[in-house]
Amino acid sequence: QQPVQSPQAVILREGEDAVINCSSSKALYSVHWYRQKHGEAPVFLMILLKGGEQKGHDKISASFNEKKQQSSLYLTASQLSYSGTYFCGTERIGGGGADGLTFGKGTHLIIQP
Amino acid sequence: DAGVIQSPRHEVTEMGQEVTLRCKPISGHNSLFWYRQTMMRGLELLIYFNNNVPIDDSGMPEDRFSAKMPNASFSTLKIQPSEPRDSAVYFCASTSVGGEQYFGPGTRLTVT
Repeated sequence: QQPVQSPQAVILREGEDAVINCSSSKALYSVHWYRQKHGEAPVFLMILLKGGEQKGHDKISASFNEKKQQSSLYLTASQLSYSGTYFCGTERIGGGGADGLTFGKGTHLIIQP
Repeated sequence: DAGVIQSPRHEVTEMGQEVTLRCKPISGHNSLFWYRQTMMRGLELLIYFNNNVPIDDSGMPEDRFSAKMPNASFSTLKIQPSEPRDSAVYFCASTSVGGEQYFGPGTRLTVT
């Protein structure tokens, strides 16, 4: 079953912060985050494994609450290059880290100067 | 590393024709995934392989779709016969144990 992402779209000014949420009805082994720009392939951002993990690099970070089966992606001091569609992809329990992903419908992020 | 390689990048064909999409995964990666992306349905998993063996093909929409991975460096996705509703961008992705999937540039398929 497809994870639910929110919001569907967000428009920000450069320098503002954003939070994108991903929620699943199934127990998860991992959550993956990808960014896709128009006409391009999805690009891997980060993966979070079960266990209340948090990760981050540069000004993009994420958390994973395995009990609630939710993950959030945090974009701090957004830059123009952050524009694109963000997808969460979930891997079910039992996948072992080499399972296919079920993707949400995506969150469209527009950063304006 | 050249990344995941897909061919062709664009394919336009008529309904009823056979279409073959090709993928070369990143060297050393032992899992390969085929995804399809449309506006209506988003990004969907079609099938994936571990060590060249198909593990889950439950996402393959119909018997018209088939996929093979004859060796660690090559996979094909075939549609026979093709229909207009198969029009989409088809992505191939690969990963090693550890999970991050690297996507190829995709094949944009248009069936008229």
